[in-house]
Amino acid sequence: NAGVMQNPRHLVRRRGQEARLRCSPMKGHSHVYWYRQLPEEGLKFMVYLQKENIIDESGMPKERFSAEFPKEGPSILRIQQVVRGDSAAYFCASSPSNPTYYGYTFGSGTRLTVV
Amino acid sequence: AQTVTQSQPEMSVQEAETVTLSCTYDTSESDYYLFWYKQPPSRQMILVIRQEAYKQQNATENRFSVNFQKAAKSFSLKISDSQLGDAAMYFCAYRESNYQLIWGAGTKLIIKP
Repeated sequence: NAGVMQNPRHLVRRRGQEARLRCSPMKGHSHVYWYRQLPEEGLKFMVYLQKENIIDESGMPKERFSAEFPKEGPSILRIQQVVRGDSAAYFCASSPSNPTYYGYTFGSGTRLTVV
Repeated sequence: AQTVTQSQPEMSVQEAETVTLSCTYDTSESDYYLFWYKQPPSRQMILVIRQEAYKQQNATENRFSVNFQKAAKSFSLKISDSQLGDAAMYFCAYRESNYQLIWGAGTKLIIKP
């Protein structure tokens, strides 16, 4: 039973390029959450999605960032025209339902480096 | 706004000894959940232990236990018989009835052999 799969594990982008981060939730999980971890900090909530629906994107920057969770395939976090400040670890978590007592299952994250 | 504070950026402990990591939080809610997560160098975020605020009994998972003081808004993690594999960043997190986790800045735990 594979856990939450995130790829790529490491991603290097030049300023101005686009970054696409993928997250496949655990089998049977239909809720996906994206968090960002800046160096020396805890995680910060970005967006919560269910299949084909964005439930809460209050933590996501209004510009350049978007997320989707299509009916088929992984959830995608897209960052357009990346800047140095976007360098961070991006974590995806999934749960079978909301709210859940059991916490979330996290992926191993994607470390984005903008050069 | 809810906040979570971990006042110890780094802690070290001798192997087989006991160590306590501190966490305080600020909330006006009475019903919520608290979590400790471990993040080893692999970066995987692993759930260590969880506590429901309405439960007075402190949660325990093998060598890991918490001291939950609701009135003081304190949620410390005690690791007994520390092992080399316990070396990691430890994060305290808070959640209300919704889905957002509010995280502390983390404590780096070093185990001395």
